[in-house]
Amino acid sequence: DAGVIQSPRHEVTEMGQEVTLRCKPISGHNSLFWYRQTMMRGLELLIYFNNNVPIDDSGMPEDRFSAKMPNASFSTLKIQPSEPRDSAVYFCASSAQGSYSNQPQHFGDGTRLSIL
Amino acid sequence: SQQGEEDPQALSIQEGENATMNCSYKTSINNLQWYRQNSGRGLVHLILIRSNEREKHSGRLRVTLDTSKKSSSLLITASRAADTASYFCATDTSNTGKLIFGQGTTLQVKP
Repeated sequence: DAGVIQSPRHEVTEMGQEVTLRCKPISGHNSLFWYRQTMMRGLELLIYFNNNVPIDDSGMPEDRFSAKMPNASFSTLKIQPSEPRDSAVYFCASSAQGSYSNQPQHFGDGTRLSIL
Repeated sequence: SQQGEEDPQALSIQEGENATMNCSYKTSINNLQWYRQNSGRGLVHLILIRSNEREKHSGRLRVTLDTSKKSSSLLITASRAADTASYFCATDTSNTGKLIFGQGTTLQVKP
């Protein structure tokens, strides 16, 4: 079975440019999570969706960041304009959340973003 | 503030030895999960222990949970070089699927 698929795997761009990260969750999973990982701050939850609806975006750093989930099989995380401090590895994860128990999250291999 | 904090930050052992990592957290939880991350890859789920469970096993992994001390430990027995990775604990406090990850323990297993 295909896991969580993220694209691109690597992105290098100049400050001020728009960056779009993409994620395809595992088929049948109804929750999707976007994380950012840096050496300084570790793994931070940016936003998560349940049944395509954003539930908690309190981790989104600022208005330059936005995320969408137009359907159950696709999500994007956009940074506009990008800044050097946005450089990090961005992970997408999905899970199948039941009513009474939590399920493990399945992670993609991430997008390594470098803003010059 | 960080919900889960792992200890030690780094651990280096010889192949065949056991590795123990600890996780402490601050608020009550529904469950606690352990993940592994190999260099350059995403996190992989290892084991989930619910708040009403005290111990769980999966192959060479043993996880304990002490809710009175708000702590958990992950034991890897008979370690292998392939166990070299970072290990993270993550707590679920809201039963919504949202997890809060600790900073991780970097484990190096020398052949």
